[in-house]
Amino acid sequence: ETGVTQTPRHLVMGMTNKKSLKCEQHLGHNAMYWYKQSAKKPLELMFVYNFKEQTENNSVPSRFSPECPNSSHLFLHLHTLQPEDSALYLCASSPTGNTEAFFGQGTRLTVV
Amino acid sequence: DQQVKQNSPSLSVQEGRISILNCDYTNSMFDYFLWYKKYPAEGPTFLISISSIKDKNEDGRFTVFLNKSAKHLSLHIVPSQPGDSAVYFCAASASGAGSYQLTFGKGTKLSVIP
Repeated sequence: ETGVTQTPRHLVMGMTNKKSLKCEQHLGHNAMYWYKQSAKKPLELMFVYNFKEQTENNSVPSRFSPECPNSSHLFLHLHTLQPEDSALYLCASSPTGNTEAFFGQGTRLTVV
Repeated sequence: DQQVKQNSPSLSVQEGRISILNCDYTNSMFDYFLWYKKYPAEGPTFLISISSIKDKNEDGRFTVFLNKSAKHLSLHIVPSQPGDSAVYFCAASASGAGSYQLTFGKGTKLSVIP
């Protein structure tokens, strides 16, 4: 248990569906992140929030929409996804940007 | 273009022997390096890190070596244990103003054979 909890663990959705991924951390960290891990690719940073403010958006398509209502919660809203968006989506948090990040267990997303 | 490279997708080592996992980077702005370990169906967990002001950091069975001139780091595990079997990711960051980005390698799958 790393203190970062992601739900759901698995999600199958159609291309016309709207769904949301949830992340919660109980570590008192200031920064939260969404990463994507596709098969045979490195983890790719998608979004960074620092003190609830989005500080980085790594050219992620608008069909992915993050939301950070407070320092403990992070959401990733999904709509009209493509099959190639199927991947493991990982949430992480850290006390500052330059120290080790603590990861959740991830949501395995399949778009059909 | 990958800035952090782990050129060995997999490595098999006998229990009790040393495991050496390698990582190369291209961005000279990177000054903080981390190793993560990942079991199947779990998120990566932090293992050990090193700042560019050091060339070695040790934590129990795990030692990370950094060669800045070669832009190379390695993780040594000794003695290797079957529970060490996992995928190991190398990551790097640059301490710039407001920079929160970790750049990861593709990972090396370590199998420790009993």
